[in-house]
Amino acid sequence: GIQVEQSPPDLILQEGANSTLRCNFSDSVNNLQWFHQNPWGQLINLFYIPSGTKQNGRLSATTVATERYSLLYISSSQTTDSGVYFCAVVLFQGAQKLVFGQGTRLTINP
Amino acid sequence: DAGVIQSPRHEVTEMGQEVTLRCKPISGHNSLFWYRQTMMRGLELLIYFNNNVPIDDSGMPEDRFSAKMPNASFSTLKIQPSEPRDSAVYFCASSSGVNTEAFFGQGTRLTVV
Repeated sequence: GIQVEQSPPDLILQEGANSTLRCNFSDSVNNLQWFHQNPWGQLINLFYIPSGTKQNGRLSATTVATERYSLLYISSSQTTDSGVYFCAVVLFQGAQKLVFGQGTRLTINP
Repeated sequence: DAGVIQSPRHEVTEMGQEVTLRCKPISGHNSLFWYRQTMMRGLELLIYFNNNVPIDDSGMPEDRFSAKMPNASFSTLKIQPSEPRDSAVYFCASSSGVNTEAFFGQGTRLTVV
């Protein structure tokens, strides 16, 4: 099956720093989403981005489908950005289901 | 819209008991997904429905697990009998169709003692 690999697995930063999270996938995809799981366990939608670039405030994401990766950028980090960031993809062919990576755990220290 | 609604939020039960988790998808969405999250296996799909019909249940761990979607606004995931290894957070998600954005409920934290 498709492999979804996220890096780094853990990231610890000071408030105000910028970060880049990466998601690599092993096959062509129809759909790619980024989620933030906050410390209370909620999965919050960040981006639906099968290709191209999108921005929402301090966050932006870029997916290069032909090269099978996506990047999530967080600028001027705040402590509320802490949590686990997941990338999830739907294969181009086959079952229409979101397959998740293992996540990047981000800790922002004040 | 209130989003995807799951109940209960927390469930503690004894081994061998039946557990029923409930989900109300976003109105107008015709795809519904049940996921399970554990430390060891991360987020894994158990089953998904399209227009109330189960499409892929290959992720259902064993016969103790069953899921139904009697109508477009309600789904259940049942575990009978429950075992301690079923302890996890169970998420329900819905989307408006193939290759569209999926939205998750707040999850049900199940503890089987």
